[in-house]
Amino acid sequence: KQEVTQIPAALSVPEGENLVLNCSFTDSAIYNLQWFRQDPGKGLTSLLLIQSSQREQTSGRLNASLDKSSGRSTLYIAASQPGDSATYLCAVSWGYNQGGKLIFGQGTELSVKP
Amino acid sequence: GAVVSQHPSWVICKSGTSVKIECRSLDFQATTMFWYRQFPKQSLMLMATSNEGSKATYEQGVEKDKFLINHASLTLSTLTVTSAHPEDSSFYICSAREGLAGVNTGELFFGEGSRLTVL
Repeated sequence: KQEVTQIPAALSVPEGENLVLNCSFTDSAIYNLQWFRQDPGKGLTSLLLIQSSQREQTSGRLNASLDKSSGRSTLYIAASQPGDSATYLCAVSWGYNQGGKLIFGQGTELSVKP
Repeated sequence: GAVVSQHPSWVICKSGTSVKIECRSLDFQATTMFWYRQFPKQSLMLMATSNEGSKATYEQGVEKDKFLINHASLTLSTLTVTSAHPEDSSFYICSAREGLAGVNTGELFFGEGSRLTVL
């Protein structure tokens, strides 16, 4: 069964700290992996998309890495800010011909304290 | 990024009524749309895959007669919760991608979600 797991479930850090969120997935034959941010009661904002052929993607203070062989991805947030507080979701797509449906992890709820 | 719009953003209805939620791709044609539901403090669970002009594909455990999906145009998919009950109360989110139906072509874009409360 194809599953996505995220740890930790919740994380609280002081402002300015660098942090890492973890995502693991069964079945390394992924097509792509996507990191999202979700604010309370809101929809999803796409942060980074990593294709299976890529090792990492960067956008501003965010860096996402992908290690297919170990079934892991990490989201690195540099110099965290209170505005980064949200739930971060990792989602994986398997199979070119599966139409791109995403399977989501449980999310990591991040709180950045001023 | 591309914009996906959902309407209504929230709805309250009485038990037994039917509720329709719309998902529109505003600046691209979406051959494939996905419907998810999210319970409080939980992650998104895929309900069904909707391809324009064909029947939706439902995930295991999702009642297709309960959750009717119509993808009649390249910019609109609708989810109708029929004879809603309190246990159907949830956050429903749609997503859409451009490209060939049934083929994985890249990034998914999500709507803002629709919160359904059934009294």
